[in-house]
Amino acid sequence: GAGVSQSPSNKVTEKGKDVELRCDPISGHTALYWYRQSLGQGLEFLIYFQGNSAPDKSGLPSDRFSAERTGGSVSTLTIQRTQQEDSAVYLCASSLGPAGVERRDTQYFGPGTRLTVL
Amino acid sequence: AQSVTQPDIHITVSEGASLELRCNYSYGATPYLFWYVQSPGQGLQLLLKYFSGDTLVQGIKGFEAEFKRSQSSFNLRKPSVHWSDAAEYFCAVGLENFNKFYFGSGTKLNVKP
Repeated sequence: GAGVSQSPSNKVTEKGKDVELRCDPISGHTALYWYRQSLGQGLEFLIYFQGNSAPDKSGLPSDRFSAERTGGSVSTLTIQRTQQEDSAVYLCASSLGPAGVERRDTQYFGPGTRLTVL
Repeated sequence: AQSVTQPDIHITVSEGASLELRCNYSYGATPYLFWYVQSPGQGLQLLLKYFSGDTLVQGIKGFEAEFKRSQSSFNLRKPSVHWSDAAEYFCAVGLENFNKFYFGSGTKLNVKP
């Protein structure tokens, strides 16, 4: 079946502009995660959605970052007034959700969106 | 605070040689531990995971990892490396509710012919 998809695959923007990154999780997956992978760094957790519950935003680096998830499916990560330090690969992952540990553990990752802020 | 350390940034091994990638974690409760692989141009793929029970876990592609609570380690091993194993490997800790995962900074593996 289809995996996690993200769009665009690449985004180049100018400093100060707003950008929107999209994630389509695997159908039926209730949990959705956003991560940021900067050059030479590991994955940095940004935000977690579980179904229609309020998201865990504890990883968002600043108030310029926000995310929403419509209808418990597609998610959009928005970065306002982009800065050069926002340049990174933004990864989305989904998992089956909290129906027991064995169903919640395996995250399936999308290919990422490479964001370059000039 | 929770953290995951992968002390080796780059490792080069010859094809057919054995491999061990190190991972240490800092977490107060029972850890849920994972290894992921990221091949060039590919997304991250789960290699194996540990939740409880047998501390030696088997994964895909011939990989295994051993959980050592006394050393707070979860090292990844493979007895004989193939050229196709060249990739970046990430160790991760999941919190109990799986609402957050902490990843190490990764180890890039090069395989010499």
